[in-house]
Amino acid sequence: EAEVAQSPRYKITEKSQAVAFWCDPISGHATLYWYRQILGQGPELLVQFQDESVVDDSQLPKDRFSAERLKGVDSTLKIQPAELGDSAMYLCASSLSETQYFGPGTRLLVL
Amino acid sequence: AQSVAQPEDQVNVAEGNPLTVKCTYSVSGNPYLFWYVQYPNRGLQFLLKYITGDNLVKGSYGFEAEFNKSQTSFHLKKPSALVSDSALYFCAVTDSGGGADGLTFGKGTHLIIQP
Repeated sequence: EAEVAQSPRYKITEKSQAVAFWCDPISGHATLYWYRQILGQGPELLVQFQDESVVDDSQLPKDRFSAERLKGVDSTLKIQPAELGDSAMYLCASSLSETQYFGPGTRLLVL
Repeated sequence: AQSVAQPEDQVNVAEGNPLTVKCTYSVSGNPYLFWYVQYPNRGLQFLLKYITGDNLVKGSYGFEAEFNKSQTSFHLKKPSALVSDSALYFCAVTDSGGGADGLTFGKGTHLIIQP
């Protein structure tokens, strides 16, 4: 069964450092999403891609976060500089239609 | 703006008993509704969805959910709970006009099945 791949699974960094997360969606899925899940809350959408184009980045803190999907396949989410409040689970999902399939997530701890 | 409410932080059920996890939603158009389950330190696993048609939808692991348009609810149910059902459950909604738009999630409900 095809799955969404994410790496790393865990990341510990110090505030003001740069971090990057990678996501490889299910093959053939044109739509890719990045969500942030703070402990005790539901996921919140950060950015949505359709192929290589950004469809929605209204909730992405653009002063420090960036996302790209250059060839319309895998994607990278970057934070620079990281802040203590960025500690969370970062989830990637992909879809062919309305159902989104999630990867295992990257748990980020900022010290 | 769309929203989801899961009024219970935690639901406790004895093994073998029926379970219900509640969800109400608000959306401007017609809703697409979803239930996901999350195990510790894992991503979300899709359980079931309502898009259109029959109000009772069946999903994975014996779960089902009933769409009630007048009450704007989409409660998750299972006739007989298993200890292995213990996990964190999320209800999510998007507007059908958006198709593959991002989902709005509730804050989640911890389901605890007691042996």
